[in-house]
Amino acid sequence: ETGVTQSPTHLIKTRGQQVTLRCSSQSGHNTVSWYQQALGQGPQFIFQYYREEENGRGNFPPRFSGLQFPNYSSELNVNALELDDSALYLCASSRNTGGGETQYFGPGTRLLVL
Amino acid sequence: GQSLEQPSEVTAVEGAIVQINCTYQTSGFYGLSWYQQHDGGAPTFLSYNALDGLEETGRFSSFLSRSDSYGYLLLQELQMKDSASYFCAVRAQTGANNLFFGTGTRLTVIP
Repeated sequence: ETGVTQSPTHLIKTRGQQVTLRCSSQSGHNTVSWYQQALGQGPQFIFQYYREEENGRGNFPPRFSGLQFPNYSSELNVNALELDDSALYLCASSRNTGGGETQYFGPGTRLLVL
Repeated sequence: GQSLEQPSEVTAVEGAIVQINCTYQTSGFYGLSWYQQHDGGAPTFLSYNALDGLEETGRFSSFLSRSDSYGYLLLQELQMKDSASYFCAVRAQTGANNLFFGTGTRLTVIP
Protein backbone atom coordinates (compact mmCIF):
# COMPACT_ATOMS: atom_id res chain seq x y z
CA GLU A 1 0.00 0.00 0.00
CA THR A 2 1.35 3.39 -1.02
CA GLY A 3 -1.07 5.58 0.94
CA VAL A 4 -2.40 7.06 -2.31
CA THR A 5 -6.13 6.58 -2.69
CA GLN A 6 -8.38 7.11 -5.68
CA SER A 7 -12.13 7.21 -6.15
CA PRO A 8 -14.19 5.79 -7.62
CA THR A 9 -12.58 2.44 -8.45
CA HIS A 10 -14.75 1.85 -11.49
CA LEU A 11 -16.97 4.10 -13.57
CA ILE A 12 -19.17 3.71 -16.64
CA LYS A 13 -20.10 6.77 -18.68
CA THR A 14 -21.55 7.42 -22.10
CA ARG A 15 -19.95 9.38 -24.90
CA GLY A 16 -20.30 13.14 -24.45
CA GLN A 17 -20.64 13.03 -20.69
CA GLN A 18 -18.28 14.57 -18.17
CA VAL A 19 -16.39 12.77 -15.39
CA THR A 20 -14.47 13.78 -12.26
CA LEU A 21 -11.89 11.46 -10.72
CA ARG A 22 -10.36 12.04 -7.31
CA CYS A 23 -7.00 11.34 -5.72
CA SER A 24 -5.68 11.73 -2.19
CA SER A 25 -1.92 11.94 -2.05
CA GLN A 26 0.33 10.27 0.48
CA SER A 27 0.85 12.26 3.66
CA GLY A 28 3.70 14.76 3.26
CA HIS A 29 3.51 14.76 -0.54
CA ASN A 30 2.82 18.05 -2.35
CA THR A 31 3.03 16.83 -5.94
CA VAL A 32 0.41 14.84 -7.82
CA SER A 33 0.69 13.51 -11.36
CA TRP A 34 -2.08 11.95 -13.44
CA TYR A 35 -1.57 9.22 -16.01
CA GLN A 36 -3.82 7.41 -18.49
CA GLN A 37 -3.11 3.73 -19.11
CA ALA A 38 -4.85 2.03 -22.01
CA LEU A 39 -5.05 -1.75 -22.02
CA GLY A 40 -1.69 -3.32 -22.80
CA GLN A 41 0.14 0.01 -22.80
CA GLY A 42 2.33 1.93 -20.42
CA PRO A 43 0.96 4.87 -18.46
CA GLN A 44 0.87 8.16 -20.39
CA PHE A 45 1.46 11.42 -18.54
CA ILE A 46 -1.52 13.78 -18.52
CA PHE A 47 -0.39 16.56 -16.17
CA GLN A 48 1.26 17.28 -12.84
CA TYR A 49 0.25 19.60 -10.01
CA TYR A 50 2.71 21.07 -7.54
CA ARG A 51 1.47 23.18 -4.66
CA GLU A 52 -1.88 23.77 -6.38
CA GLU A 53 -0.37 24.91 -9.70
CA GLU A 54 -0.10 22.94 -12.95
CA ASN A 55 3.56 22.02 -13.32
CA GLY A 56 3.71 20.26 -16.66
CA ARG A 57 1.33 18.76 -19.17
CA GLY A 58 1.49 15.87 -21.59
CA ASN A 59 -0.05 15.60 -25.02
CA PHE A 60 -3.70 15.65 -23.97
CA PRO A 61 -6.42 18.02 -25.22
CA PRO A 62 -7.83 20.84 -23.07
CA ARG A 63 -10.95 18.81 -22.24
CA PHE A 64 -8.64 17.08 -19.73
CA SER A 65 -8.30 19.46 -16.81
CA GLY A 66 -7.36 19.24 -13.20
CA LEU A 67 -7.19 20.83 -9.80
CA GLN A 68 -5.09 20.48 -6.70
CA PHE A 69 -6.45 21.52 -3.33
CA PRO A 70 -4.67 23.04 -0.30
CA ASN A 71 -4.44 19.58 1.28
CA TYR A 72 -2.72 18.44 -1.95
CA SER A 73 -5.52 16.12 -3.00
CA SER A 74 -6.38 16.40 -6.65
CA GLU A 75 -9.13 16.01 -9.24
CA LEU A 76 -9.00 15.05 -12.90
CA ASN A 77 -11.91 16.26 -15.01
CA VAL A 78 -12.65 15.03 -18.49
CA ASN A 79 -15.31 16.74 -20.59
CA ALA A 80 -17.04 15.52 -23.73
CA LEU A 81 -16.00 11.92 -23.17
CA GLU A 82 -14.95 9.88 -26.17
CA LEU A 83 -14.82 6.11 -26.57
CA ASP A 84 -10.99 6.26 -26.61
CA ASP A 85 -11.01 7.75 -23.13
CA SER A 86 -11.77 4.28 -21.79
CA ALA A 87 -8.69 3.44 -19.72
CA LEU A 88 -7.22 3.09 -16.26
CA TYR A 89 -6.53 6.52 -14.77
CA LEU A 90 -3.70 6.55 -12.29
CA CYS A 91 -2.57 9.27 -9.96
CA ALA A 92 0.85 9.32 -8.38
CA SER A 93 2.15 11.47 -5.57
CA SER A 94 5.69 12.44 -4.62
CA ARG A 95 7.29 14.57 -1.91
CA ASN A 96 8.19 17.24 -4.44
CA THR A 97 9.15 17.61 -8.08
CA GLY A 98 12.75 16.57 -7.65
CA GLY A 99 14.03 14.11 -10.20
CA GLY A 100 15.08 11.56 -7.63
CA GLU A 101 11.75 11.64 -5.85
CA THR A 102 9.83 8.41 -6.24
CA GLN A 103 6.29 8.57 -7.57
CA TYR A 104 3.85 6.43 -5.59
CA PHE A 105 0.83 5.28 -7.55
CA GLY A 106 -2.72 4.83 -6.39
CA PRO A 107 -4.82 1.81 -7.39
CA GLY A 108 -6.43 3.70 -10.27
CA THR A 109 -9.92 4.38 -11.56
CA ARG A 110 -11.07 2.20 -14.43
CA LEU A 111 -13.25 4.26 -16.75
CA LEU A 112 -15.41 2.71 -19.45
CA VAL A 113 -17.02 5.00 -22.02
CA LEU A 114 -19.92 3.51 -23.98
CA GLY B 1 9.89 13.19 -29.42
CA GLN B 2 10.50 10.45 -26.94
CA SER B 3 10.52 6.70 -27.30
CA LEU B 4 11.47 3.76 -25.12
CA GLU B 5 11.88 0.22 -26.38
CA GLN B 6 11.54 -2.91 -24.30
CA PRO B 7 10.89 -6.54 -25.25
CA SER B 8 7.16 -7.20 -25.14
CA GLU B 9 7.38 -10.60 -23.45
CA VAL B 10 9.93 -12.65 -21.53
CA THR B 11 9.54 -16.12 -20.02
CA ALA B 12 11.92 -17.52 -17.42
CA VAL B 13 12.14 -20.44 -15.02
CA GLU B 14 11.63 -20.10 -11.29
CA GLY B 15 14.99 -19.62 -9.56
CA ALA B 16 16.69 -18.32 -12.69
CA ILE B 17 17.97 -14.83 -13.59
CA VAL B 18 16.34 -12.61 -16.19
CA GLN B 19 17.43 -9.32 -17.72
CA ILE B 20 14.95 -6.85 -19.23
CA ASN B 21 16.53 -4.28 -21.52
CA CYS B 22 15.39 -0.75 -22.24
CA THR B 23 16.70 1.65 -24.84
CA TYR B 24 15.50 5.21 -24.98
CA GLN B 25 15.48 8.26 -27.20
CA THR B 26 14.47 11.46 -25.47
CA SER B 27 15.04 15.15 -26.01
CA GLY B 28 16.13 15.46 -22.37
CA PHE B 29 17.20 12.88 -19.82
CA TYR B 30 17.19 13.15 -16.06
CA GLY B 31 17.01 9.52 -14.95
CA LEU B 32 15.65 6.04 -15.65
CA SER B 33 13.15 4.32 -13.37
CA TRP B 34 11.70 0.82 -13.29
CA TYR B 35 8.20 -0.07 -12.16
CA GLN B 36 6.44 -3.40 -11.63
CA GLN B 37 2.73 -3.81 -12.30
CA HIS B 38 0.70 -6.92 -11.56
CA ASP B 39 -2.50 -7.49 -13.51
CA GLY B 40 -5.21 -5.21 -12.15
CA GLY B 41 -2.75 -3.44 -9.86
CA ALA B 42 -0.93 -0.14 -9.70
CA PRO B 43 2.66 0.38 -10.83
CA THR B 44 5.06 0.02 -7.91
CA PHE B 45 8.52 1.56 -7.85
CA LEU B 46 11.51 -0.77 -8.12
CA SER B 47 14.57 1.37 -8.82
CA TYR B 48 15.96 4.65 -10.16
CA ASN B 49 19.25 5.40 -11.92
CA ALA B 50 20.35 8.96 -12.51
CA LEU B 51 24.02 8.14 -13.05
CA ASP B 52 25.83 5.41 -14.96
CA GLY B 53 26.32 2.15 -13.17
CA LEU B 54 24.56 -0.53 -11.24
CA GLU B 55 22.05 -0.08 -8.42
CA GLU B 56 21.22 -3.13 -6.32
CA THR B 57 18.15 -3.60 -4.14
CA GLY B 58 17.74 -7.12 -2.89
CA ARG B 59 16.98 -9.50 -5.74
CA PHE B 60 16.59 -6.60 -8.19
CA SER B 61 19.38 -4.63 -9.82
CA SER B 62 19.21 -1.88 -12.40
CA PHE B 63 21.91 -0.59 -14.73
CA LEU B 64 22.25 2.60 -16.74
CA SER B 65 24.59 3.70 -19.50
CA ARG B 66 23.74 7.24 -20.51
CA SER B 67 26.23 7.26 -23.37
CA ASP B 68 24.43 4.26 -24.90
CA SER B 69 20.91 5.46 -23.92
CA TYR B 70 20.44 2.02 -22.45
CA GLY B 71 19.47 0.42 -19.21
CA TYR B 72 18.38 -2.92 -17.87
CA LEU B 73 16.59 -4.49 -14.95
CA LEU B 74 18.05 -7.71 -13.58
CA LEU B 75 15.88 -10.01 -11.52
CA GLN B 76 17.62 -12.82 -9.64
CA GLU B 77 16.28 -15.92 -7.93
CA LEU B 78 13.02 -15.56 -9.78
CA GLN B 79 9.85 -16.35 -7.87
CA MET B 80 6.38 -17.07 -9.23
CA LYS B 81 5.17 -13.78 -7.73
CA ASP B 82 7.57 -11.92 -10.03
CA SER B 83 5.22 -12.66 -12.94
CA ALA B 84 4.08 -9.15 -13.85
CA SER B 85 4.65 -6.35 -16.34
CA TYR B 86 7.82 -4.31 -15.97
CA PHE B 87 8.09 -0.77 -17.27
CA CYS B 88 11.10 1.42 -17.78
CA ALA B 89 10.33 5.11 -17.52
CA VAL B 90 12.35 8.21 -18.23
CA ARG B 91 12.21 11.54 -16.49
CA ALA B 92 12.58 13.74 -19.54
CA GLN B 93 12.13 17.31 -18.35
CA THR B 94 13.58 19.53 -15.71
CA GLY B 95 11.38 21.17 -13.10
CA ALA B 96 8.96 18.29 -13.00
CA ASN B 97 9.41 14.65 -12.20
CA ASN B 98 6.71 13.26 -14.48
CA LEU B 99 7.64 10.04 -16.23
CA PHE B 100 7.53 8.85 -19.82
CA PHE B 101 6.85 5.11 -19.80
CA GLY B 102 7.75 2.36 -22.22
CA THR B 103 5.13 -0.13 -23.37
CA GLY B 104 6.24 -2.68 -20.82
CA THR B 105 7.65 -6.20 -20.72
CA ARG B 106 5.39 -8.99 -19.58
CA LEU B 107 7.43 -11.46 -17.53
CA THR B 108 6.07 -14.95 -17.03
CA VAL B 109 7.83 -17.15 -14.49
CA ILE B 110 7.27 -20.85 -15.00
CA PRO B 111 7.95 -23.70 -12.53
